[in-house]
Amino acid sequence: RKEVEQDPGPFNVPEGATVAFNCTYSNSASQSFFWYRQDCRKEPKLLMSVYSSGNEDGRFTAQLNRASQYISLLIRDSKLSDSATYLCVVNPRYSGGGADGLTFGKGTHLIIQP
Amino acid sequence: GAGVSQSPSNKVTEKGKDVELRCDPISGHTALYWYRQSLGQGLEFLIYFQGNSAPDKSGLPSDRFSAERTGGSVSTLTIQRTQQEDSAVYLCASSLGRRGPGYTFGSGTRLTVV
Repeated sequence: RKEVEQDPGPFNVPEGATVAFNCTYSNSASQSFFWYRQDCRKEPKLLMSVYSSGNEDGRFTAQLNRASQYISLLIRDSKLSDSATYLCVVNPRYSGGGADGLTFGKGTHLIIQP
Repeated sequence: GAGVSQSPSNKVTEKGKDVELRCDPISGHTALYWYRQSLGQGLEFLIYFQGNSAPDKSGLPSDRFSAERTGGSVSTLTIQRTQQEDSAVYLCASSLGRRGPGYTFGSGTRLTVV
């Protein structure tokens, strides 16, 4: 099982619709979770952190399910500008040293259609 | 600086040549990462620097790759005897600490080996 798995899509969604996608992770000891957004030929940018209690930022809601080891991102009232690749990012906690850098999923490609 | 600065933004080199990529992180950020992203692929971890600790080089794909970080600030990634499979976007990210919060990426160096 890959460390972080995402459905690559593309998800073609009409403007104004609600869209949700999940990401699964393999390391049950993972501590931190994030969603990043990457526009075409641009660098990834932090969209939001994912907290155990779930969190909401405007039209975006992120949730964590530790028991099933997945995180989700829900976008309401989607806009054309939401078209991008959404990267699921997990920060595992390694014991005994070593870098605990971010592990990136390959991303889910979202296309909002007018 | 205000953001993570990478140079050059684009580099075309002949197979077998050495290249040097530069990253200038956000001032005060102790953690610095190098990733690379091939076309249509996810981010691949290369190397991680944290303060004055020994870097984690576990992601470097071969001994042709090396990196250093001078004075805890600017980092250079060197690729010797470049191969066509080295063609990718090389992204640098920095953060306040080992686990973020959030990582700020530079806009990357697009390397093309011909």
